[in-house]
Amino acid sequence: NFMLTQPHSVSESPGKTVTISCTRSSGSIVSNFVQWFQQRPGSSPTIVIYEDNQRPSGVPDRFSGSIDSSSNSASLTISGLKTEDEADYYCQSYDNDNQVFGGGTKVTVL
Amino acid sequence: EVQLVESGGGLVQPGGSLRLSCAASGFTVSSNYMSWVRQAPGKGLEWVAVIYSGGTTYYADSVKGRFTISRDNSKNMLYLQMNSLSAEDTAIYYCARDLYLYSGVWFAYWGQGTLVTVSS
Repeated sequence: NFMLTQPHSVSESPGKTVTISCTRSSGSIVSNFVQWFQQRPGSSPTIVIYEDNQRPSGVPDRFSGSIDSSSNSASLTISGLKTEDEADYYCQSYDNDNQVFGGGTKVTVL
Repeated sequence: EVQLVESGGGLVQPGGSLRLSCAASGFTVSSNYMSWVRQAPGKGLEWVAVIYSGGTTYYADSVKGRFTISRDNSKNMLYLQMNSLSAEDTAIYYCARDLYLYSGVWFAYWGQGTLVTVSS
């Protein structure tokens, strides 16, 4: 089984841009789609990016996803940061029938 | 509108059993991939189990042989039978549905979760 490694936390000011990385430990990041979830305090997770870079309806276009095969990682970028974006973010991918989540990144909007 | 409502959580002693339920509305559970995902207090997300539309099931290694995922098509319900519980199973348990059948996106919709506490 592989692991997905995320930074523990990131912080930035309102209006700025943050990027969260998610590095796959083994196997290619391009082999299986990556999803990203937002979890605000006390709430259930919600999906913000699926299939590497697709946004569900209702998710602002300030959220974008990308894949970098050279670093075997995925990234979630949030531009024009708002206080409502303060939350934990988790990446997720899979291998065969095993689903793996990253450890989560706490985004703080200063 | 897709809705998932979990129930059945509570306090259980180590070695005990508990059955969680997830009531689905707005779609048919037997037509989608349905999963359970858990989150220990202050920790990250961990996939637990999945049941495919065809009935095939898979489990995380941490629960294999102890947990059983099932569904009742007539009631449109999803279940998780948990046996031989230990403190490490203490978590909020969420049920989740895929984006659409065969999408490969297993966790597009989430319930509000139910808390399971394993303690003496």
